[in-house]
Amino acid sequence: ETGVTQTPRHLVMGMTNKKSLKCEQHLGHNAMYWYKQSAKKPLELMFVYNFKEQTENNSVPSRFSPECPNSSHLFLHLHTLQPEDSALYLCASSQVRGDGTGELFFGEGSRLTVL
Amino acid sequence: AQSVAQPEDQVNVAEGNPLTVKCTYSVSGNPYLFWYVQYPNRGLQFLLKYITGDNLVKGSYGFEAEFNKSQTSFHLKKPSALVSDSALYFCAVRDMSMDSNYQLIWGAGTKLIIKP
Repeated sequence: ETGVTQTPRHLVMGMTNKKSLKCEQHLGHNAMYWYKQSAKKPLELMFVYNFKEQTENNSVPSRFSPECPNSSHLFLHLHTLQPEDSALYLCASSQVRGDGTGELFFGEGSRLTVL
Repeated sequence: AQSVAQPEDQVNVAEGNPLTVKCTYSVSGNPYLFWYVQYPNRGLQFLLKYITGDNLVKGSYGFEAEFNKSQTSFHLKKPSALVSDSALYFCAVRDMSMDSNYQLIWGAGTKLIIKP
């Protein structure tokens, strides 16, 4: 599965570090997403970009900062994180048609551990 | 409020037996329903969706799901389970309300274990 690629796959960082997660989609889609996955909880939508414009920010703390330079690339910049931010961060893309029928295509995730 | 419930944290099935993973939903208006699967250390993969039409939807890897409007359910099924079906399964419903931006509402997931 190479439609959506995420790097790095694993990241360990201290609470004072600054790091970034990268996502690239090769599907020609017009929307990209960041989700947080924690054990035994529903996926939490963090950010959505449609046509490079941020359309959703679900009350995410400012220590998470997204960047979408073009429709194929999405970044999540991380700084001064907390141990409870440790989770699997999933990037996804979709072709938004305005009728709600499109499905999401996910990357394999970046496993983040905050010490 | 829109919601999705997967009432079972884990489902255990013997290989070769039929399997069912349950999902119920609550939405205003017509539901758009999805199933995704997550294999260990992987991202989520789309399995199938119900938008309109035939209540029985067929998807990838031999899975199917039955939309039942009166019971507000969308259970995932497979006639004969394989050990390789062991994974985490997520049900989701599209929020079609005006201020939702059509985002997906997710269940908490069901771990499916197929024993040889």
